[in-house]
Amino acid sequence: GAGVSQSPRYKVAKRGQDVALRCDPISGHVSLFWYQQALGQGPEFLTYFQNEAQLDKSGLPSDRFFAERPEGSVSTLKIQRTQQEDSAVYLCASSLVRTSGGPRTGELFFGEGSRLTVL
Amino acid sequence: AQTVTQSQPEMSVQEAETVTLSCTYDTSESDYYLFWYKQPPSRQMILVIRQEAYKQQNATENRFSVNFQKAAKSFSLKISDSQLGDAAMYFCALSGGYQKVTFGIGTKLQVIP
Repeated sequence: GAGVSQSPRYKVAKRGQDVALRCDPISGHVSLFWYQQALGQGPEFLTYFQNEAQLDKSGLPSDRFFAERPEGSVSTLKIQRTQQEDSAVYLCASSLVRTSGGPRTGELFFGEGSRLTVL
Repeated sequence: AQTVTQSQPEMSVQEAETVTLSCTYDTSESDYYLFWYKQPPSRQMILVIRQEAYKQQNATENRFSVNFQKAAKSFSLKISDSQLGDAAMYFCALSGGYQKVTFGIGTKLQVIP
């Protein structure tokens, strides 16, 4: 597709359930980011991939959160044993440039997000 | 660490008028980028304008321009000839180091017909 695609758009989970959120970045984009956006707040960084390597996971709020990008394209954010405080919109963004070499514009292309509601 | 501060939770502007959204930031990086992103109610974030820190000239994109004051670490967005479609959340953002982008909490812009 032409843009970043995320699924599902909406997910309702019972507390304690596991959820998986998928991100399909723009083809050829090296960098992939996950952000968490609570209601009325700005996006908060969760984790960053360069190709298949997870270079920064400092923003993951707990060990219940896990992200992977095994083949350097599609990424999955998994949340185990969901809690009510996990309710948020999860945004995925991709970027063309790598961290070393080449032009560096920093522009991120965002998907529409996955809205998670934990009951 | 890098931080971005937006101190205006909400702003309003009359259609066709001009409005300025404020942003201050902090970073230890010498090479960084600043952005304004727009997030309409549909949620998809789109880039409005970008400024490279090493450039002294303020960036402009049609009706959108910035006032970049590097010493003061200030980066405001001016929207001229405001249109109804400009109504959205606006996020100031900073990219330093390996390109991790840090966002402010946003300013909700209302455009009054």
